[in-house]
Parts: sequence; C-alpha cells; structure tokens
Amino acid sequence: EVQLVQSGVEVKKPGESLKISCRGSRDIFENRWIGWMRHMPGKGLEWVGRIYTGDSDTRMNPSFEGQVTISVDKSINTAYLQWNSLKDSDGAIFYCARRKMGAFYRGFDVWGQGTTVTVTS
Amino acid sequence: DIQMTQSPSTLSASVGDRVTITCRASQTINNWLAWYQQKPGKAPKLLMYEASILESGVPSRFSGSGAGTEFTLTISSLQPDDIGFYFCQQCDTYTFGQGTNVEI
Repeated sequence: EVQLVQSGVEVKKPGESLKISCRGSRDIFENRWIGWMRHMPGKGLEWVGRIYTGDSDTRMNPSFEGQVTISVDKSINTAYLQWNSLKDSDGAIFYCARRKMGAFYRGFDVWGQGTTVTVTS
Repeated sequence: DIQMTQSPSTLSASVGDRVTITCRASQTINNWLAWYQQKPGKAPKLLMYEASILESGVPSRFSGSGAGTEFTLTISSLQPDDIGFYFCQQCDTYTFGQGTNVEI
C-alpha cells in the first residue's frame, strides 16, 4: 500500500521542543511536494506548509511562519515538522501528505496516519 | 485568505439514498477543489480533484461538480462503507472546509 508513515503520539510541556516525522518509500517521496496539515479539535484542517523533497524549497502558510519549521532529509525519505518552544495552543493532530503529481491544484493523494501532539503542563 | 464554507455539518441518510455535500468558496477558485473522505482513526483519502475528476480506485457512485465558488460532492447511492467524515479543500492556498459527518 502506498503510504506515508508518521511518528507516534507526543506529550510535551509548554516550552519544550519537538520534531515529528513523516517517512515514505523512495518512489512516493522522491522529488515531490510534501505538505503538513494541522487538525485541532472541533475545527477544520489547516494547511501548515509544504516542502519539495528534491531541493527543500519550502512554502509556509503565513499563519504558521515563525511558529514551526519544515525540513526534509531526502537520504532517508523523511520530512519533519519542528517546534523550538511549544505552546499550550499547539496541541493538535498533524498530518503529512504528498501533493498529487502534476499541476499544483490537484490535491494531496497520499496521507500519513497523523501524529497527535498534546501540550500540557 | 480564501474561506471554504461546507454544508451540512452532519448528514443522516439511508442506504441507497442520493446524498450531496456542498462547499462554497469566498472567492473564485476556478475548479481547484479536492474532496476527501476520512474514517475514524484513518488517514484522509482523496476522492476527487479538479472538482470533478475521480481519483483512481474510488467508486463511481462518487461524483463532483462545480466551478468558481460553488461545488458539490454527490454519492449517488449511499453504501454502508461510505460512512465517515468528508471535507473539501481549495487547492489555490489550501484551506479546508469544516467537514461533513455522514451517518447511516
């Protein structure tokens, strides 16, 4: 099955740092845009940003600029979403997803299973 | 930013019913709209892209239509396997609708 595999549940304290991951096989990951989405309880999904695995070109939702960092290690087909200092309000489920091949407006065709991040003192 | 308004938030229907979910964009997005299905504890699944193109492997009872600001996802004959959460996404700046919970 074509899939992206995300790292597991995280429980952190405010102020702590965190890096969650999204790993795929080479054939689904190489030279593709990988996006990150946030799903907060009771709200719709929000697009956080995306990264091109070939050259690490990154585009961020302005609402998340400076709050998180997206990176990729293409040698291990893994994308990351990172916080330097978590806030109480950062708790959510985060999904990675691959943008469909072709034009930018075709949606995301492969998704990870989600990583639950809980931030609590 | 482009806002997506999706309705209804919950839809209860019987097996075999024709059901329709609507997404409205706050400004024109051409046909740059995707629809997804998500089941509890599972990853979202792409159903439709460019508003009306069925993703490979998705049953033909699903269809999409619309352009500009008004879009619909239709299930022609609801099946038990179709229960789940459905949401739209505008693929210009990637905002999502709030989602629709489909129940039988």
